[in-house]
Amino acid sequence: AQSVTQLDSHVSVSEGTPVLLRCNYSSSYSPSLFWYVQHPNKGLQLLLKYTSAATLVKGINGFEAEFKKSETSFHLTKPSAHMSDAAEYFCVVSDAGGSQGNLIFGKGTKLSVKP
Amino acid sequence: GAGVSQTPSNKVTEKGKYVELRCDPISGHTALYWYRQSLGQGPEFLIYFQGTGAADDSGLPNDRFFAVRPEGSVSTLKIQRTERGDSAVYLCASSPTGYTEQFFGPGTRLTVL
Repeated sequence: AQSVTQLDSHVSVSEGTPVLLRCNYSSSYSPSLFWYVQHPNKGLQLLLKYTSAATLVKGINGFEAEFKKSETSFHLTKPSAHMSDAAEYFCVVSDAGGSQGNLIFGKGTKLSVKP
Repeated sequence: GAGVSQTPSNKVTEKGKYVELRCDPISGHTALYWYRQSLGQGPEFLIYFQGTGAADDSGLPNDRFFAVRPEGSVSTLKIQRTERGDSAVYLCASSPTGYTEQFFGPGTRLTVL
């Protein structure tokens, strides 16, 4: 069975400082991994995805994530936080073992950005 | 272009009532997914359609939940005899083939009193 664990339920940073949102995964297969962002009253938006190509994945809005198989991690980073980054972030693994591709979400990390 | 839309955006109902939630996927997307997001949790998979057929309904919690997609486009999630525990945001997503990025709608917030 596949699963993801987001290690922090809430992260608070100051504007202009780095962001680190941690995610560990469990998978019996070569996983496809994603980060989604959810702003209040908005739909989930894909930030980036890893599908067994380059281990360092660049996404939108300056975010990137590194797939580390030895650590079973897929942490999300951004060098400098912006106020507009305040949102809920979900680490997601695809059910690669099946044929459907349904997504398995972590519980989310709420990112707060202080001025 | 138009994204995934869901109606209604909010639905308040009484325990025991029947509700229908609608999802309009992106035109041409063959794959459609329903998820449920309870307060403070990540979305949980309910059911997946490939075309008109339910390819995987393993996430439906019980037989009070049912979904259809009769023409391979619009889908309706149906909940019978609603219970307070059904209160959640119900999310719909579509994908061009099912093996690519899923595009999410804004969700329907269901409140069962």
